[in-house]
Amino acid sequence: AQKVTQAQTEISVVEKEDVTLDCVYETRDTTYYLFWYKQPPSGELVFLIRRNSFDEQNEISGRYSWNFQKSTSSFNFTITASQVVDSAVYFCALQDRGSTLGRLYFGRGTQLTVWP
Amino acid sequence: GAVVSQHPSWVICKSGTSVKIECRSLDFQATTMFWYRQFPKQSLMLMATSNEGSKATYEQGVEKDKFLINHASLTLSTLTVTSAHPEDSSFYICSAISGESSYEQYFGPGTRLTVT
Repeated sequence: AQKVTQAQTEISVVEKEDVTLDCVYETRDTTYYLFWYKQPPSGELVFLIRRNSFDEQNEISGRYSWNFQKSTSSFNFTITASQVVDSAVYFCALQDRGSTLGRLYFGRGTQLTVWP
Repeated sequence: GAVVSQHPSWVICKSGTSVKIECRSLDFQATTMFWYRQFPKQSLMLMATSNEGSKATYEQGVEKDKFLINHASLTLSTLTVTSAHPEDSSFYICSAISGESSYEQYFGPGTRLTVT
């Protein structure tokens, strides 16, 4: 069965602090994709990253970085030097080949609030 | 990048009426579209998967007679909420994938439905 767990429901930080959002997943497939999406108050989902199961290299994009650890089934997301504009709900999602093509399994999301 | 639009972006309707939400892929052909519902402070819940020219596949617990989905063309899927009630008030999001082998999924901006 597929499952994505985001244990942190809400996180509050002060601007310029670093913050890590946790994501743990479950799947029986050996081939799968992991995603992070940002959902600002407007509601529109913003794609941040897609990582396939064969690529365990960590990725950095500006202030964002992702740590993929297959051994612990985790795909954590770190924002360095957070800013007020980073305030949003962040979703981790899993896509595998075990079910409907293209279907995403979402975690429950983490509400990040960055205070000035 | 690929664009998915939704119309309307928000709608208010009276209890007992029906409302139709359109999801369009603007610059690609969408073989599969997904419909999600999101309640406040909750995750996205997959309602159904629709493939062009065939009946939608509904998730367990989703009333297919209440949420009518039509995927009549490769660029348009519609969700009709029939005999809407206040508990149907929610944020409805569609997404689309562009090919049988593609795992790229593109999200629409969402439609906020309020039933009074």
